Amino acid sequence: DAKTTQPNSMESNEEEPVHLPCNHSTISGTDYIHWYRQLPSQGPEYVIHGLTSNVNNRMASLAIAEDRKSSTLILHRATLRDAAVYYCILRANYGGATNKLIFGTGTLLAVQP
Amino acid sequence: KAGVTQTPRYLIKTRGQQVTLSCSPISGHRSVSWYQQTPGQGLQFLFEYFSETQRNKGNFPGRFSGRQFSNSRSEMNVSTLELGDSALYLCASSLGLAGVNYEQYFGPGTRLTVT
Repeated sequence: DAKTTQPNSMESNEEEPVHLPCNHSTISGTDYIHWYRQLPSQGPEYVIHGLTSNVNNRMASLAIAEDRKSSTLILHRATLRDAAVYYCILRANYGGATNKLIFGTGTLLAVQP
Repeated sequence: KAGVTQTPRYLIKTRGQQVTLSCSPISGHRSVSWYQQTPGQGLQFLFEYFSETQRNKGNFPGRFSGRQFSNSRSEMNVSTLELGDSALYLCASSLGLAGVNYEQYFGPGTRLTVT
């Protein structure tokens, strides 16, 4: 499975946009990019995923580089509730063989009021 | 719709004992995966079940085992507990096994402490 690299920690101010980077230089053509986050004392929760095109949902946006070797999770207006560890995960398209997620160390996002 | 539930939420056991943790997936979900989270190793995949069959297994010793019932509920068992088994055990459920397009829903976890 291809690996991802994320900064250990980032800080943001409340109501400002946050750009969380992820490098995945060994990504294969069929790997999807998934983001999960883990709030304090909770299990991880799904945020967003994409393959090649940029994606938007109610929680965030995912910007994927043209060569797919990196991506950025964008929180448009950070709130205190967004303070969490954010995980960037590559999921190979095994045609439905597994739901296994390989978590890295993630980025700890601190949001200041 | 109720989320993933895990019982018990907290557990204290002694070395050498065994423990069984339970996970009830979201209604209609047929896939259940288990993860171990420790400060040193982070989140590590244990195993996953789909339609009562183990589909994938992580790199854990045979003391760790699991099963899934016909109603998709799952249990994991750890025998001969060691101090290093102290961790947060997380269960995740998913609608199916389509992999990349099925997001996973995690429960709150069971905090196991081995003394």
